[in-house]
Amino acid sequence: DGGITQSPKYLFRKEGQNVTLSCEQNLNHDAMYWYRQDPGQGLRLIYYSQIVNDFQKGDIAEGYSVSREKKESFPLTVTSAQKNPTAFYLCASSSVRGTEAFFGQGTRLTVV
Amino acid sequence: GDSVTQMEGPVTLSEEAFLTINCTYTATGYPSLFWYVQYPGEGLQLLLKATKADDKGSNKGFEATYRKETTSFHLEKGSVQVSDSAVYFCALSATSYDKVIFGPGTSLSVIP
Repeated sequence: DGGITQSPKYLFRKEGQNVTLSCEQNLNHDAMYWYRQDPGQGLRLIYYSQIVNDFQKGDIAEGYSVSREKKESFPLTVTSAQKNPTAFYLCASSSVRGTEAFFGQGTRLTVV
Repeated sequence: GDSVTQMEGPVTLSEEAFLTINCTYTATGYPSLFWYVQYPGEGLQLLLKATKADDKGSNKGFEATYRKETTSFHLEKGSVQVSDSAVYFCALSATSYDKVIFGPGTSLSVIP
């Protein structure tokens, strides 16, 4: 089945450590996105990419980094510069502009 | 800029009640409109969509009609169930955009 896979589902890290969240899609979509969701809140866009080897900052990119070396993969690194990294992270993809986005199941990151 | 506005939540309904969640948008072009649903601890799922004026999207008893004259895309269901308890997001996208624009979400709780 085609879809978006995020791993792991739950992630625990110590404060000050960098951590990388995985996002893989087999939908052959060009565009991929990372969102952050805090409890009871909406979605905030972190980074997005429309094509391999290119990506743009979203609304809250500070403290995060991404890469897009392959069409199917868009990993997100939460760095130690992110002041409050504990949140639910969602990855999404879409085929062309103007179409719907498809979401993964999310990764819940807890920093202790 | 282009945006999506949804009614404030949370919304609490009794089982079998009628549901309306209001959504209005601001867009310079002719966007496609979407409703997504998010169950607790999960990613977003596309519930329904409409790609042009007067289109009606429908799925699982939910409906929404693309009203260009009122720039609205209100979600309705005739008889809600406890299993409909979730957060609902209205969204839009267009070929001139490089991302999907989401509303803030509306939390729905259905009580037996």
